[in-house]
Amino acid sequence: QQQVKQSPQSLIVQKGGISIINCAYENTAFDYFPWYQQFPGKGPALLIAIRPDVSEKKEGRFTISFNKSAKQFSLHIMDSQPGDSATYFCAASKAFNKFYFGSGTKLNVKP
Amino acid sequence: NAGVTQTPKFRILKIGQSMTLQCAQDMNHNYMYWYRQDPGMGLKLIYYSVGAGITDKGEVPNGYNVSRSTTEDFPLRLELAAPSQTSVYFCASSPGTANSPLHFGNGTRLTVT
Repeated sequence: QQQVKQSPQSLIVQKGGISIINCAYENTAFDYFPWYQQFPGKGPALLIAIRPDVSEKKEGRFTISFNKSAKQFSLHIMDSQPGDSATYFCAASKAFNKFYFGSGTKLNVKP
Repeated sequence: NAGVTQTPKFRILKIGQSMTLQCAQDMNHNYMYWYRQDPGMGLKLIYYSVGAGITDKGEVPNGYNVSRSTTEDFPLRLELAAPSQTSVYFCASSPGTANSPLHFGNGTRLTVT
């Protein structure tokens, strides 16, 4: 049983475009929703995170939108750049204990 | 500050062999985790620890064992390697406090043939 479902599996976006990755969860006890970015040969690194008491969080070109009633959250990358090409994982955690990850989205930003 | 250090980076095992994947962190984090990453499957939690002497199973613990004798080290043991254990293994640590992220190592790529 997958705790966090992520889509799409892969995404191709033109430079300057908007990249959107979606995640859904079932466990309403989750209270922390981070996004991780992973480059080839490296471990994932935290990109941005949100708590369920806010509907949106923005850091630079990266925005998380959170819909508590729908149990969905998404990552928007504005003005996508070739350097953003990486694999992105959403995750969910309860009480910052165990973290459950989505299946990942491989983003390719074409110049 | 080295962060989370994993060794080795690569390893090839024959079926039935055993090995230990090493993980060390120098951030004095209480929480440590082992994940495996398979293509299209994301990261699956194998085992985790909330402090020295305390470990618990994650989503996919079968075929693995862990121990946590110190805050710094969290080794993962494979006793009888099987082809299904071919994967990339990531160790991570966290303070376990509010809004604290996971800090990952750079992984160990294991092939079992």
